[in-house]
Amino acid sequence: EVQLVESGGGLVQPGGSLRLSCAASGFTFSTIPMTWVRQAPGKGLEWVACISRDGSERHYLDSVKGRFAISRDNAKSSLFLEMNSLRAEDTGRYYCARSGGAPNYWGQGVLVTVSS
Amino acid sequence: DVQLTQSPSSLSASVGDTVTISCRASQGIDKSLGWYQHKPGKAPKSLIYLASLLQNGVPSKFSGSGSGTDFTLTISNLQPEDFATYYCQQYYSYPFTFGPGTRLEIE
Repeated sequence: EVQLVESGGGLVQPGGSLRLSCAASGFTFSTIPMTWVRQAPGKGLEWVACISRDGSERHYLDSVKGRFAISRDNAKSSLFLEMNSLRAEDTGRYYCARSGGAPNYWGQGVLVTVSS
Repeated sequence: DVQLTQSPSSLSASVGDTVTISCRASQGIDKSLGWYQHKPGKAPKSLIYLASLLQNGVPSKFSGSGSGTDFTLTISNLQPEDFATYYCQQYYSYPFTFGPGTRLEIE
């Protein structure tokens, strides 16, 4: 059974940093591109970033470029999202999803709140 | 960036009805479109990829069609568990984008 479990969320002040993690199981992690998607309170889904199978190719939403970094550790079946210079508008639930195109499995998400 | 619009933004229907949701892209995206169901407090659920192919385990009451700029999601024989928000997403060009969502409510 495919499982994706996010962690690392929390409350952070504007300008602060957080590192989200996603532990994957139930499939061969190293063969699948991965994606982060978020949802701000009361808003729709927003694609954030994706990473290729070997980590050599990464793509980002324009508003997070230079602040967020997606990475992966295939040996540990883990996906990461390093978030720096956080802004109030980054507040939301962040989902880890399997596949770089049309995600087919999703985690339950982790809440990130950016507030002073 | 490719912009997606969805219509209607909200929709009321009854159990047993068939509904259709439209998604339009600002430029041609071939068939690189997915559909997702999202309920409050739950993980999104993937329904369709490549515009018309059902994800594993998704019942055939869900169907998708279209290519280029115009796409539709049809849900037949609505059941209580189908009432949710539905999103389309393009993965033709970066940044991948979602539509604003269509909220399907019980009438």
